[in-house]
Amino acid sequence: DGGITQSPKYLFRKEGQNVTLSCEQNLNHDAMYWYRQDPGQGLRLIYYSQIVNDFQKGDIAEGYSVSREKKESFPLTVTSAQKNPTAFYLCASSRTGPTTDTQYFGPGTRLTVL
Amino acid sequence: SQKIEQNSEALNIQEGKTATLTCNYTNYSPAYLQWYRQDPGRGPVFLLLIRENEKEKRKERLKVTFDTTLKQSLFHITASQPADSATYLCALPRWGKLVFGTGTRLLVSP
Repeated sequence: DGGITQSPKYLFRKEGQNVTLSCEQNLNHDAMYWYRQDPGQGLRLIYYSQIVNDFQKGDIAEGYSVSREKKESFPLTVTSAQKNPTAFYLCASSRTGPTTDTQYFGPGTRLTVL
Repeated sequence: SQKIEQNSEALNIQEGKTATLTCNYTNYSPAYLQWYRQDPGRGPVFLLLIRENEKEKRKERLKVTFDTTLKQSLFHITASQPADSATYLCALPRWGKLVFGTGTRLLVSP
């Protein structure tokens, strides 16, 4: 089955720790995205990548970092610099760029800072 | 500034009725608009895309309209079922990105 996988589904982190969220797609899509979703708020874009070894900051990139070493993978690291990291994180991909194609989402990772 | 507005209050309807959800936007003229469905604790799923030169788009029990004069899209579900209960998000391309509304929760009672 083609799709996007995210792991883990639930993640707990102590304050001051960095944590990496995994995102893999086998749709052969060029573009990948990370969003954050908080209760009562829409999806907010953290980072996106339109091609391997290149990525751009979204609206709320502070405290986060990404890499795109392979077309299939776009991991997100939540660093200790992120002040309010507890949220639902969604990874998505699209065949081409962010404004020219529909996006396919993974199941999400719920991060809780203890 | 550009805004995308969806009714934050949940929409409660009875099974079999038509549900109508609204997406309004300001200070902007998007080339298209998308609608997604999101179930609790899961990622959004794409439903429909409607372009600025299309007045209406249908897919099974779903219908979307796009009024560029009113700057509004309406999303209809006819013959609604309890399984249609979910949050529905609209999204528009803006500044090289896809911008999502906050979504409207739909609850269909049997």
